[in-house]
Amino acid sequence: GAVVSQHPSWVICKSGTSVKIECRSLDFQATTMFWYRQFPKQSLMLMATSNEGSKATYEQGVEKDKFLINHASLTLSTLTVTSAHPEDSSFYICSVRTSKYEQFFGPGTRLTVL
Amino acid sequence: AQTVTQSQPEMSVQEAETVTLSCTYDTSESDYYLFWYKQPPSRQMILVIRQEAYKQQNATENRFSVNFQKAAKSFSLKISDSQLGDAAMYFCASSNYGQNFVFGPGTRLSVLP
Repeated sequence: GAVVSQHPSWVICKSGTSVKIECRSLDFQATTMFWYRQFPKQSLMLMATSNEGSKATYEQGVEKDKFLINHASLTLSTLTVTSAHPEDSSFYICSVRTSKYEQFFGPGTRLTVL
Repeated sequence: AQTVTQSQPEMSVQEAETVTLSCTYDTSESDYYLFWYKQPPSRQMILVIRQEAYKQQNATENRFSVNFQKAAKSFSLKISDSQLGDAAMYFCASSNYGQNFVFGPGTRLSVLP
């Protein structure tokens, strides 16, 4: 498996500001990480696939200029929500792919945009 | 494309009793994995059990077991001797070879003392 951490666990920001969320793989060299968004009482929705050293692949309907993903090392991927608005308030979860079939999830980050 | 369906938005079970959560999926692949994840109020996704599609034997993990019906594309989770700590959202998920996870909508399980 893999131990995955996220920072911060909860962030509150003002509308129009940018917020960066970090996802760290503590014990696994992760070439691929995933970013999910989960609205209240809903399932996880994949936002993008983060590949180390290359551009992220975004799912249909996810604005790549709004949700900037950087995967500069095998242990760190960051998600930056640019010009955040209240509708971006959600729970963001990252995961680390450890094999062709398995992922291990971080504890999530709650984003509240005022 | 993969799809995963969970037809039970909410379920409840009496403590120490057994409950079964339903999941159906659709995939055109022959090589895939199926998973059940638990999401407690902390919202940390916890792997409960997984099943390799090529294995006919149903997976078991202590009080958790699955009924994998490949032809019917059904993958139900049975929780035996339910405990208060089992109360959570349960998500069924599928993963095709090298591709992403697809999650079902989830089933909220309540355990009654």
